[in-house]
Parts: sequence; structure tokens; C-alpha cells
Amino acid sequence: QSALTQPASVSGSPGQSITISCTGTSSDVGSYNLVSWFQQHPGKAPKLMISEVNKRPSGVSNRFSGSKSGNTASLTISGLQAEDEADYYCYSYAASITYVFGTGTKVTVL
Amino acid sequence: QLQLQESGPGLVKPSETLSLTCTVSGGSVRSSNDYWGWIRQPPGKGLEWIANIHYSGNIYYNPSVKSRVAISVDTSTNQFSLKLSSATAADTAVYYCARWTQNAFDIWGQGTMVTVS
Repeated sequence: QSALTQPASVSGSPGQSITISCTGTSSDVGSYNLVSWFQQHPGKAPKLMISEVNKRPSGVSNRFSGSKSGNTASLTISGLQAEDEADYYCYSYAASITYVFGTGTKVTVL
Repeated sequence: QLQLQESGPGLVKPSETLSLTCTVSGGSVRSSNDYWGWIRQPPGKGLEWIANIHYSGNIYYNPSVKSRVAISVDTSTNQFSLKLSSATAADTAVYYCARWTQNAFDIWGQGTMVTVS
């Protein structure tokens, strides 16, 4: 069970849009619409941003959106803001009731 | 508002058992729709799911640690716990507890650092 692959870092200027990819396999991301994303600021508890590929929990800004194509899921942040600077992780349900996490992406707002 | 808080020793000796507890406040571990889980992150490495438990007794373990792990829930104290036996340096990590509901880990604790040394 290998970790999902994410870019180590993504950056953008305020107001821009950025996209973070999360690549798995046909055994996890590709087989289930159960990909989630969470945001983590240093020293803080992770915060769920997207569940089930593209569902936004109550209270999460609509600037955050998710999608999936084949074995790759994506998180897009539009209208980038300074407060979006954080680490982002994806995770997916995998076979036999297990879960696999992404390697993490550091988002920098320039 | 539901909150989770991990607690336990920050330092464990090799070969001993690592024990952690997660206290649930603002909600109940007896919720029929929820599972309760543990996830860890070694320093500089990625996250690893460890186990999930439902108050009814349904348990799921990551096969990579299944032989050494036990997860349990105590409805009287509204807590759930993790025990990891035969600890090694490789078990050094930040340990998070989280709620699994509606197909996602939606509420997380802040995490607790455990060093095996």
C-alpha cells in the first residue's frame, strides 16, 4: 500500500488559482469516489476541506473545489489568499477497508 | 462542537507498549454513524492510518501494524484508546485521533508527539 503522490510544493500569488494533484492507483483513487483533502497549519489540527472527491463540508469556502480523473484527484484553490498558506494532504479509501494518505503539499502564497 | 484531544506519554522505551487515549468532547463515541480512528506521522514522513473502531465493536486495522496494535473504546468515559506493543524507533511519530463519518475523517485532534527512545 503505497502513499498517494502529491507535489512537494505549489505556489501562487494572491487572487490566482492553484491546483494540487494526488495520484494513486486503480486500487485506491481510481476505484472509489472516496478521496478527501485536508488543510494543516503548523501546530494546528488538520481541517477537512473536501470529502468524497468534491463535497465541501459546511463552513469551508467555495474557493476550494475537488475533482478526479482516473487515478488522479485534484484540489483547486481559487482566489488564493494569504490564509490558504498551509500544508495540504489527500487521502483515499483503499481495498479491504484501509486508507492511504498523500505525501503532502506545501502551499505558499507569494 | 465536537473536539478530540489526544493524551499519553511523550516518551516510550523500546520494546515497551505505546498507549494513547483520545477524549471526545461535545459529542458521544456512541454515535451510530461514526467510527473513531488513529493516524500517525513520523517526523519528516507521510501520514499512516492505523486503525478505526465503532462503539459496537467493529474494528479495522492497517495490515502493516495489525499484529502489534489494539484499539478500544470506553463509552463510560467517552474515550477511545490505542495500544502499540513492542515499540521501536520507527514508531516515533505525531499521533492523531480523528472521527470517521460520511466517508471522511472530518474532525481531528491536534496530535501528540511520541518518541520511542
